[in-house]
Amino acid sequence: NAGVTQTPKFQVLKTGQSMTLQCAQDMNHNSMYWYRQDPGMGLRLIYYSASEGTTDKGEVPNGYNVSRLNKREFSLRLESAAPSQTSVYFCASSDWTVSYEQYFGPGTRLTVT
Amino acid sequence: TQLLEQSPQFLSIQEGENLTVYCNSSSVFSSLQWYRQEPGEGPVLLVTVVTGGEVKKLKRLTFQFGDARKDSSLHITAAQPGDTGLYLCAGPNSGGSNYKLTFGKGTLLTVNP
Repeated sequence: NAGVTQTPKFQVLKTGQSMTLQCAQDMNHNSMYWYRQDPGMGLRLIYYSASEGTTDKGEVPNGYNVSRLNKREFSLRLESAAPSQTSVYFCASSDWTVSYEQYFGPGTRLTVT
Repeated sequence: TQLLEQSPQFLSIQEGENLTVYCNSSSVFSSLQWYRQEPGEGPVLLVTVVTGGEVKKLKRLTFQFGDARKDSSLHITAAQPGDTGLYLCAGPNSGGSNYKLTFGKGTLLTVNP
């Protein structure tokens, strides 16, 4: 049981490049989330998918897009990376109808130069 | 908007000392969660408190939920280097969006040998 997996673990981009962060969960959870974590700012919600087939903006969605590919997978895309998007990105999943607990992946450390 | 404020932001102590960290809000939460995040990893749930006044113990960690369900505390007895990490409190949003969590910014605890 792998839980929540994220790829890649580390990434360096130049300003203007694009990339997609991948996330998958094997717990049959309905809801999935993308957060970014910056020093002193805590975890900030970028986008979420309350259930398969739906996605919604969180607190800081600008510059990002998401795709809920199926129940297991939820990807985050940066179309034109900016230095302000340098951060650690976490994917999480939950079955909030059972418990509010969110299960997190190991994170992707992204640097944009 | 529901906010969770955590204090202190940073705490550095010696092995064997006791400590308490706090999570406060002006809003009522139906429950509060405490997560621990170790360096380079995603947050992991420690406990959920649900009932006002509830006290839960997890080995040397004691969690309390305030009577009014607006605050919570985490007390660690005889801290060990393995307790080092970022401690986050979180609560489900109200108003029909309880599949999302509000996170505090965390307390970064360092326990020195």
